[in-house]
Amino acid sequence: EAQVTQNPRYLITVTGKKLTVTCSQNMNHEYMSWYRQDPGLGLRQIYYSMNVEVTDKGDVPEGYKVSRKEKRNFPLILESPSPNQTSLYFCASSSLLATKNTGELFFGEGSRLTVL
Amino acid sequence: AQSVTQPEIHNTVSEGASLELRCNYSYGATPYLFWYVQSPGQGLQLLLKYFSGDTLVQGIKGFEAEFKRSQSSFNLRKPSVHWSDAAEYFCAVDFILTGGGNKLTFGTGTQLKVEL
Repeated sequence: EAQVTQNPRYLITVTGKKLTVTCSQNMNHEYMSWYRQDPGLGLRQIYYSMNVEVTDKGDVPEGYKVSRKEKRNFPLILESPSPNQTSLYFCASSSLLATKNTGELFFGEGSRLTVL
Repeated sequence: AQSVTQPEIHNTVSEGASLELRCNYSYGATPYLFWYVQSPGQGLQLLLKYFSGDTLVQGIKGFEAEFKRSQSSFNLRKPSVHWSDAAEYFCAVDFILTGGGNKLTFGTGTQLKVEL
């Protein structure tokens, strides 16, 4: 089954304790992206990646890092989490191939992070 | 800069009634437009999309949307709402990145409640 898998789905942590949210897709997609969803603000892009070893900042990258060492994985790293990073995070992927690029992003089920 | 506006934060309809959710956008070129739906505790799922051609597009679950260039709108409609349609609906505009890839700018969402 084609899917985007995020872990953990729920996490409560404390300020300053480094954490990583993993994202993996099994569709061989070139493009992957992280979004955060906050009430009244919709989804805002944090980082995206066009392919292995190619990453770039989205609209709200401060306080986050990403890496793309393998095509299927795109982890989101919070080096020193702060309470304002409490949010619902979504990973998404899509194909960049002309024959497969329908414009659709495939989303994971989300990771709810609380930073105390 | 591109932007997407969903004027209604909440919308309540009775089951069986018709539905229209509004979406307006600001974008300098011909837009790619999407509607996504998010059920509670789930990721986002694509309902429908507009790239070009017929301005009335059909999607899944009986939804349709009409692109009106003169009004910069892409409103979502359904003739008869079912209780299972209660969810949050996001309109999005696709910005094509240099070198390919999709960067969606999302509206702030409309929470749909269905009264039985």
